[in-house]
Formats: sequence, structure tokens, C-alpha cells
Amino acid sequence: SQKIEQNSEALNIQEGKTATLTCNYTNYSPAYLQWYRQDPGRGPVFLLLIRENEKEKRKERLKVTFDTTLKQSLFHITASQPADSATYLCALWGTGNQFYFGTGTSLTVIP
Amino acid sequence: GAVVSQHPSRVICKSGTSVKIECRSLDFQATTMFWYRQFPKKSLMLMATSNEGSKATYEQGVEKDKFLINHASLTLSTLTVTSAHPEDSSFYICSARDQESYGYTFGSGTRLTVV
Repeated sequence: SQKIEQNSEALNIQEGKTATLTCNYTNYSPAYLQWYRQDPGRGPVFLLLIRENEKEKRKERLKVTFDTTLKQSLFHITASQPADSATYLCALWGTGNQFYFGTGTSLTVIP
Repeated sequence: GAVVSQHPSRVICKSGTSVKIECRSLDFQATTMFWYRQFPKKSLMLMATSNEGSKATYEQGVEKDKFLINHASLTLSTLTVTSAHPEDSSFYICSARDQESYGYTFGSGTRLTVV
């Protein structure tokens, strides 16, 4: 079955720096991959979708890359702000017609 | 953008009672909705796929009689936790697909505590 790993459970960075989160997957070649933000006690909020034929996608201060050879996606937040502190989840659409989510990376941006 | 409303946000119930959680798509029609369960510091685990007008599809290991799902209209799906026990305490989240962005819109979640 699909396996998704977000290899940093927690990440602390200084305000203004670029945060980079990693999502690795195995046993599947998804047509697309998504990133979500989740705040404590809330449901995830969709951020970005990147397709397998896209190397990079940007949205404001967010950038996502998708390397289907490495089976890896990187999620970048540039000029990070304390308001960016949250848990970020990657998800891929796998066999069985469902989303598989990573366990998330808790990002803390320190003022 | 697409909005999914989930109610209640928190509920505390006694063991043996049943609890109903509602999930509504406010500005779009959702023929399919998804119900997830999330444990602390764990990822979302799909419980079932709710299909309007037909039976829900449950994931392996999820008890159908325990977690009753009804999707009676294009904007409402309900999850009923029957005869709740403390081990059913968890964070339950529903979602539906936003056709425009291909992202999935999630409800705000329901924190269920069974005492």
C-alpha cells in the first residue's frame, strides 16, 4: 500500500527565513499531490495541488516541487511569518480511490 | 470558495449513547463526501466514502453498524456513532471535493469525547 513520510515531525525557524518541508512516498506513482495546512482543533485547509507533469507550482509565498523520480515533494514557505505556524500535511490520491495523508510537519515560526 | 460546514464542533456524551455529526456543503453540491478520523499527532485516516442516494463505502476495519453514514441529499451527509465507547473518542472530519480547484474542502472537525 502507499506510504507517505513527512520526515520532520516538527520544524522551528526564524521569522523571515524560508521553511522547507519534505514529503516522500513509496509504492505508488500518484497523478498529483496536494498540500494542506491544519491548525489545532481544525480541519485541514487546501493550499496547493501539483500534477505529475509539473515540476514546480507557486502561490504567493508558497512553492511546491514534485520529483517523480525521487518520489518526493518539497513545500517551501518564503519570508516566513509567525502566522504560518501550523501543521502541514501532504496527501496523494492513491489506489482504492482515496487520499493518503502524511502525518504532518508542525512548523513554528519564531519571531 | 467552497465551504463545508460541520456540526457540532465539540460533543461530550456518555458511554452507550449515540452521537450524530452533520456535514453540509454550503455553496456547492457534493455527490461524494468523505469521513475521516484523526488521533493526536497522527494523520487523517479515511473511515468511509459517503455517496448521495446510495450506501456508503467503508474502509477495511471500520464497523458499518458502529459508524452509520447517511447521505440523503446533495448537500448533507451525517455520521452517527452508535453505542459510543471511550475508545471512540477522537477528532472526526468530513470533506468534499471542490470541483473548481480539485482540492478537497474539509469541515472544521468534531471533537468527540465519550465518558
